[in-house]
Amino acid sequence: KQEVTQIPAALSVPEGENLVLNCSFTDSAIYNLQWFRQDPGKGLTSLLLIQSSQREQTSGRLNASLDKSSGRSTLYIAASQPGDSATYLCAVLGGATNKLIFGTGTLLAVQP
Amino acid sequence: DVKVTQSSRYLVKRTGEKVFLECVQDMDHENMFWYRQDPGLGLRLIYFSYDVKMKEKGDIPEGYSVSREKKERFSLILESASTNQTSMYLCASMLGGRSDTQYFGPGTRLTVL
Repeated sequence: KQEVTQIPAALSVPEGENLVLNCSFTDSAIYNLQWFRQDPGKGLTSLLLIQSSQREQTSGRLNASLDKSSGRSTLYIAASQPGDSATYLCAVLGGATNKLIFGTGTLLAVQP
Repeated sequence: DVKVTQSSRYLVKRTGEKVFLECVQDMDHENMFWYRQDPGLGLRLIYFSYDVKMKEKGDIPEGYSVSREKKERFSLILESASTNQTSMYLCASMLGGRSDTQYFGPGTRLTVL
């Protein structure tokens, strides 16, 4: 059974720092891996989707990498801003259905 | 822009009531999903649908049912609400292929007293 883990559960950094969020998964037979952002009390917003054949994806200050063989992904945020404060969730799509398996998220606080 | 809307942002119901949560998407997506989100447990899939009138159980379907009579609308039904169904409920939709992401609604915070 696929399990997705995100470490750390919470992170606080000063504005301007570069930071890395980690995601690991137990079954490497995935179709894709996705990173989402969730603001308090709101729904999820898709940030990046990496297909299993890809190694990384970039969008603005965000870069996500995927190492399928080791069951790991990282989300790199450059030059963090207070507006980046949110919970970041990773999720994997695998198997024969369109079911996403989510990690429990990393709560990021960027201090001004 | 894909838009997924949910009928209520906040809902308070009493134990034993029948509760309907509605979700509508405007992008002609085949797939729709209902999740619940609880602190420390993350998002868990309740039910999903890959076509009109089709449904599949997710990981925690007990105590819930769903209805998809039209492609754009996916309803989650709590037949007899219980306090352990107090949670944040999130709806999502996705195009047919597996290369697309899921688009989420804003969520409904349900409290069962």
